[in-house]
Amino acid sequence: DVKVTQSSRYLVKRTGEKVFLECVQDMDHENMFWYRQDPGLGLRLIYFSYDVKMKEKGDIPEGYSVSREKKERFSLILESASTNQTSMYLCASRLGDTEAFFGQGTRLTVV
Amino acid sequence: GESVGLHLPTLSVQEGDNSIINCAYSNSASDYFIWYKQESGKGPQFIIDIRSNMDKRQGQRVTVLLNKTVKHLSLQIAATQPGDSAVYFCAEILMNRDDKIIFGKGTRLHILP
Repeated sequence: DVKVTQSSRYLVKRTGEKVFLECVQDMDHENMFWYRQDPGLGLRLIYFSYDVKMKEKGDIPEGYSVSREKKERFSLILESASTNQTSMYLCASRLGDTEAFFGQGTRLTVV
Repeated sequence: GESVGLHLPTLSVQEGDNSIINCAYSNSASDYFIWYKQESGKGPQFIIDIRSNMDKRQGQRVTVLLNKTVKHLSLQIAATQPGDSAVYFCAEILMNRDDKIIFGKGTRLHILP
């Protein structure tokens, strides 16, 4: 079975902190994605990557950056966390034109 | 523009009845659709998918129907059980270089005892 693992289930950070959310997949998938999920807004794409060292902006990239140094790992970085970045963050991966597999999510609270 | 949405935000169904969750999409060029189930506190889980060269696909207790004429997708769950309580998302994948997945906002399925 495909496994997508996010490093933390819950995080609490202070405003202005730099935050790293890590995601690892074990199926050699090419494409990886970061979404945030908010009530009433559904899943919104922040960034995605279709290869090592490649990244593409999604719909809401402002305030975020990403890193993909290895195929299995896709990191989301909040350069300076703000309270409006309090959300559920979901990582996903997929191979070619198949379905996406999701991690369990990281619930981030910025105080 | 491109959008995927759901007609109803909440659906209440009697245990044992069939559930039908609907989804509308706007991109006629889309050719791959997925239904996900998300239980409280968990990430979305794949349920079933369908490609545009099909109009029906069946899984275990679930059936997805695709009507390309009206750009409509539905998920049917047979004999709904308490464990089916979740938010259900339809998703549309754009089969191009970007391969972005566009999600609907979700429908919450509530099972009545």
